[in-house]
Amino acid sequence: QQQVKQSPQSLIVQKGGISIINCAYENTAFDYFPWYQQFPGKGPALLIAIRPDVSEKKEGRFTISFNKSAKQFSLHIMDSQPGDSATYFCAANGGSQGNLIFGKGTKLSVKP
Amino acid sequence: NAGVTQTPKFQVLKTGQSMTLQCAQDMNHEYMSWYRQDPGMGLRLIHYSVGAGITDQGEVPNGYNVSRSTTEDFPLRLLSAAPSQTSVYFCASSYGGSTRNTEAFFGQGTRLTVV
Repeated sequence: QQQVKQSPQSLIVQKGGISIINCAYENTAFDYFPWYQQFPGKGPALLIAIRPDVSEKKEGRFTISFNKSAKQFSLHIMDSQPGDSATYFCAANGGSQGNLIFGKGTKLSVKP
Repeated sequence: NAGVTQTPKFQVLKTGQSMTLQCAQDMNHEYMSWYRQDPGMGLRLIHYSVGAGITDQGEVPNGYNVSRSTTEDFPLRLLSAAPSQTSVYFCASSYGGSTRNTEAFFGQGTRLTVV
């Protein structure tokens, strides 16, 4: 049972463009929503995270938008660069166990 | 500061063989976990531990065993490898007793092929 649905599976963006990745969750007990970035041959690394008491969080070119009523959140990458080419995972956790549950990932390619 | 260290980086096993994937962290994190990553499937939780002596099953635990005798180490054992266990395995750790509201630190991964 997949509790975090991520789209699209792959995304191609031109340099300088905006990359948008969307996620939806089902469990209203989730209370922490991180995004992880993974480069080939490496482990995932935390990029940015948000809690449901705010609707947006921005760190440099990366912004999370959060819609609690729709149970959706998204990652926006402004001024996308070739160095942003990686796989991005949304995740959620909460509840008594607090384990991270990941979406299936989005492979982003930024063309120069 | 090494962070989370996984060994080996690559391994080829024959069906039915056993092996242990090693994971060690030097950040004094209480929470440790194992994930497998398969194409198009994301990261799926195999087992996790909220502290030394405490382990529990995740989403896909069948075919895997774990133990946690120290805070630092969390090995993953495959008792009888099957081709379906061909995957990339990641170990992760985080401060406190869960990944709730805290950053998870991942190792570099172990790429396992079962033939």
